[in-house]
Amino acid sequence: DQQVKQNSPSLSVQEGRISILNCDYTNSMFDYFLWYKKYPAEGPTFLISISSIKDKNEDGRFTVFLNKSAKHLSLHIVPSQPGDSAVYFCAASEEGGSEKLVFGKGTKLTVNP
Amino acid sequence: DTAVSQTPKYLVTQMGNDKSIKCEQNLGHDTMYWYKQDSKKFLKIMFSYNNKELIINETVPNRFSPKSPDKAHLNLHINSLELGDSAVYFCASSQDSGSNEQYFGPGTRLTVT
Repeated sequence: DQQVKQNSPSLSVQEGRISILNCDYTNSMFDYFLWYKKYPAEGPTFLISISSIKDKNEDGRFTVFLNKSAKHLSLHIVPSQPGDSAVYFCAASEEGGSEKLVFGKGTKLTVNP
Repeated sequence: DTAVSQTPKYLVTQMGNDKSIKCEQNLGHDTMYWYKQDSKKFLKIMFSYNNKELIINETVPNRFSPKSPDKAHLNLHINSLELGDSAVYFCASSQDSGSNEQYFGPGTRLTVT
């Protein structure tokens, strides 16, 4: 029972172009969403988050969009850099806190020079 | 200065053995977590402690017992190891149980033979 789904296991883009990573969720009680980035042999690191009261949050090259009616969020990276190559995890929590995060399976992003 | 550290990084052991994984955070956070990432790459929460008190206990076999001697440490003891326990175990911490950002350790890859 996957409450958070990342249907693309991998994505490959050229340096300088936009990377779009997608995430769908099924639990309507989720109201806080986060993206984590993970390099091999390291733990996930927090990247950006969004509350359900917003539909967009931006931090430098990273923007997260939330479409509550579609239960869909996406992470845009512009411009993509080779150092962005990593596995990106979408996570969600209920009631505004990260006490219990539910993660997707991750999408492996490769940015080619 | 590692914020969240885990030892050991790799652990290979035989079925039936008892083993422990240690976790320490130097961030002054009140809440710590244990996650398991299985072969299907799902990252799932196992336990959460806030100020040494258990606040989340997911459906985890009794063979897994977390212990928090102080709020900077959360150790995971596993009795009678089984093949299915093979996974990467991540420790994490957050400012408090309502914080929206968790900091992860590098993970411990446990292999049960």
